[in-house]
Amino acid sequence: GESVGLHLPTLSVQEGDNSIINCAYSNSASDYFIWYKQESGKGPQFIIDIRSNMDKRQGQRVTVLLNKTVKHLSLQIAATQPGDSAVYFCAEGPYGGSQGNLIFGKGTKLSVKP
Amino acid sequence: KAGVTQTPRYLIKTRGQQVTLSCSPISGHRSVSWYQQTPGQGLQFLFEYFSETQRNKGNFPGRFSGRQFSNSRSEMNVSTLELGDSALYLCASSLGQGGVSQYFGPGTRLLVL
Repeated sequence: GESVGLHLPTLSVQEGDNSIINCAYSNSASDYFIWYKQESGKGPQFIIDIRSNMDKRQGQRVTVLLNKTVKHLSLQIAATQPGDSAVYFCAEGPYGGSQGNLIFGKGTKLSVKP
Repeated sequence: KAGVTQTPRYLIKTRGQQVTLSCSPISGHRSVSWYQQTPGQGLQFLFEYFSETQRNKGNFPGRFSGRQFSNSRSEMNVSTLELGDSALYLCASSLGQGGVSQYFGPGTRLLVL
């Protein structure tokens, strides 16, 4: 299967539990943040985004929290399911800028135990 | 609406050869970006094309090149392949304006022997 990092941080959770995946971003000037999910053998899939004028944004079973003070981003997945097993990574950059200005994290592997 | 498609999905080449990868963006998307993904380096930006013009370029050698056609389809070419070019090459498309939400294709897995 696909591997996006030999030494990725791994989070193992029980099915039905909530998952929290963290990301420390590097550029204090970044004002746009995105979470992606990448399943084995597939390309990254957009999950949710947030702009820096917000601290929290909710989607379907997912919530992104942004703490600009400590440059920290987190993705919360409620009632984690086996289908959520994947590598999750964040991206930061300027809103409206070129795709090339996005900086991607290395990712966290989420493993859901049935 | 069909997603981003990439061809071929898998490719095996030998050192010194060249390769061309193709990407068809989502209908209506004018921006196409290319990325290289490896276990050690993660996702690295190669270049972005918007309306047939290269809008941004990553830090890769000149052996990596690309182009975009009037229908927004894009190709990337790697000449004089090296072992280190083995990677998953991903294409992503977006509207290219406003937010940078982009949609990735499944990638082309390139193995250089």
